[in-house]
Amino acid sequence: KNEVEQSPQNLTAQEGEFITINCSYSVGISALHWLQQHPGGGIVSLFMLSSGKKKHGRLIATINIQEKHSSLHITASHPRDSAVYICAVRRRGSNYKLTFGKGTLLTVNP
Amino acid sequence: SQTIHQWPATLVQPVGSPLSLECTVEGTSNPNLYWYRQAAGRGLQLLFYSVGIGQISSEVPQNLSASRPQDRQFILSSKKLLLSDSGFYLCAWSITSGRAREQFFGPGTRLTVL
Repeated sequence: KNEVEQSPQNLTAQEGEFITINCSYSVGISALHWLQQHPGGGIVSLFMLSSGKKKHGRLIATINIQEKHSSLHITASHPRDSAVYICAVRRRGSNYKLTFGKGTLLTVNP
Repeated sequence: SQTIHQWPATLVQPVGSPLSLECTVEGTSNPNLYWYRQAAGRGLQLLFYSVGIGQISSEVPQNLSASRPQDRQFILSSKKLLLSDSGFYLCAWSITSGRAREQFFGPGTRLTVL
């Protein structure tokens, strides 16, 4: 079993829909990252969080440390949100190493 | 502001040929540097990381090596490429001090070994 599991693997939505991507992990962590990988391959860091909730524009990330679970929400989705969303965790005690989920491919249709 | 560059963007190489991928970071000093590979259908895998000039740690045994000849330059190399070396290679950097360890990724190099 992977240390970081994402669901769903693929998600198709209509423009304007509210989207949720889930990430569960099985190790103690010091931080969790959400990344966005564009179709061309470039990766952008969206959030780094260790507790609670963060919001940036239409994106919201939450984490529940006790349940070892995080969610990424996109409100009022748009076709330009189409990308692979990757969850990664930094193990407690590690200063650098990230363990990555396999990603969720999101397609938002107009 | 900080920027990270990788080149080339795409590369097609025959099996057995050498490889050199370069990554440079601007706008920061003494960063931690990372090389990742993303194989088809798989998650990102850390290959190497470096906390300073000449200091390289390898995460997985493989056909590749890394070097850091300058503070903001990180090079991924191979003497003889294998078919299994095909994939998307990403360089990343992070700051070394403080608690924040957000990593910032380069644009990547797509390598196809034929």
